[in-house]
Amino acid sequence: AQSVTQLDSQVPVFEEAPVELRCNYSSSVSVYLFWYVQYPNQGLQLLLKYLSGSTLVKGINGFEAEFNKSQTSFHLRKPSVHISDTAEYFCAVSINAGGTSYGKLTFGQGTILTVHP
Amino acid sequence: EAQVTQNPRYLITVTGKKLTVTCSQNMNHEYMSWYRQDPGLGLRQIYYSMNVEVTDKGDVPEGYKVSRKEKRNFPLILESPSPNQTSLYFCASSHLDRSYEQYFGPGTRLTVT
Repeated sequence: AQSVTQLDSQVPVFEEAPVELRCNYSSSVSVYLFWYVQYPNQGLQLLLKYLSGSTLVKGINGFEAEFNKSQTSFHLRKPSVHISDTAEYFCAVSINAGGTSYGKLTFGQGTILTVHP
Repeated sequence: EAQVTQNPRYLITVTGKKLTVTCSQNMNHEYMSWYRQDPGLGLRQIYYSMNVEVTDKGDVPEGYKVSRKEKRNFPLILESPSPNQTSLYFCASSHLDRSYEQYFGPGTRLTVT
């Protein structure tokens, strides 16, 4: 079985500062990796995904993440945050089953990013 | 507009009173799923469905039922709700071969007293 650990439950940061949200995973098989964002009182939306290829993936709103297989990590970064980035961020994994995945997303506990003016 | 809708958005009920939370999607997705979100636990899958009449348990199925009689609808049924089912519930859907890219509904906040 796979598991996901988000190392920080809350990350406060000032506007225009860089931020890194940390995610580690555990799995005995190959996985796909994702970051989802949940804005206040909304559902989740996909921020970015790693399926294969380049280990540095770029997503919406200027976010990027780097897949590190040896450290089993998939940290999310943004060089300069805005007030509007305040949200909860979830790291998730799905089993890479022969090039298709069948829907089972295992989520981390979530990291609340609060951007202060 | 492509979307997943859930009803109701907010529900307060009492222990033991049967309830149904509806979920509908207009994207012709094969795959649908229910999650519950609890503080510090992230999202946990309750049930999922890979197509009409095909459903299976997720990680936390106890106390819940689902059905998939039509492709677009995937209701979540609590036959006898208990206070430990107080949570925020999300329905999600996707195409089966892109099931990592799930579209989430707005959520249903359920309180069981």
